Amino acid sequence: GESVGLHLPTLSVQEGDNSIINCAYSNSASDYFIWYKQESGKGPQFIIDIRSNMDKRQGQRVTVLLNKTVKHLSLQIAATQPGDSAVYFCAESYPNFGNEKLTFGTGTRLTIIP
Amino acid sequence: DAGVTQSPTHLIKTRGQQVTLRCSPKSGHDTVSWYQQALGQGPQFIFQYYEEEERQRGNFPDRFSGHQFPNYSSELNVNALLLGDSALYLCASLPFGGVGNEQFFGPGTRLTVL
Repeated sequence: GESVGLHLPTLSVQEGDNSIINCAYSNSASDYFIWYKQESGKGPQFIIDIRSNMDKRQGQRVTVLLNKTVKHLSLQIAATQPGDSAVYFCAESYPNFGNEKLTFGTGTRLTIIP
Repeated sequence: DAGVTQSPTHLIKTRGQQVTLRCSPKSGHDTVSWYQQALGQGPQFIFQYYEEEERQRGNFPDRFSGHQFPNYSSELNVNALLLGDSALYLCASLPFGGVGNEQFFGPGTRLTVL
């Protein structure tokens, strides 16, 4: 089946700078996307989600952009902090499934350099 | 209010053995999903339980089975363990039909098969 993938496995960013994590998805039928943060020894933690009828959604210091034309998703983190260091996953879901059958990508490890 | 709890934290088994992992959902949640996360990979959906029945299932063999109890807690059973079953097993709970930030993951059980 189709799966979600990520462009970069690792990303290092200077503290205070903005970071952008990218994700490519291949299933054009997916209509719901979520970004998760996973710190060492913990389960994934919800960051932000977006539905396919939107192209941008903002949260606290985070913004998710969705480009359905090229099947691309990105997570922007503003003014990065040491606590942002973690592995970030995008996940997609097909219509009518919501959180039930999320398909996760491999993940990007974000390291914040002090 | 306790979040999602899982036990045990770590487990070591040998090939061919059977294992049972346990999950207690967040208070107020009645639905439990299980995911397998291999090292360096994103979580993969195993199955979801609601009203003590398996509602959705991912691409996992019948060696993987589960159960949900009247108090909404859940067990994941894996029979005839293979080396490839070594992974972090995550439990997530949510209210039925919940999406996005309504789903919470536990810290996982690290299973090592020797």
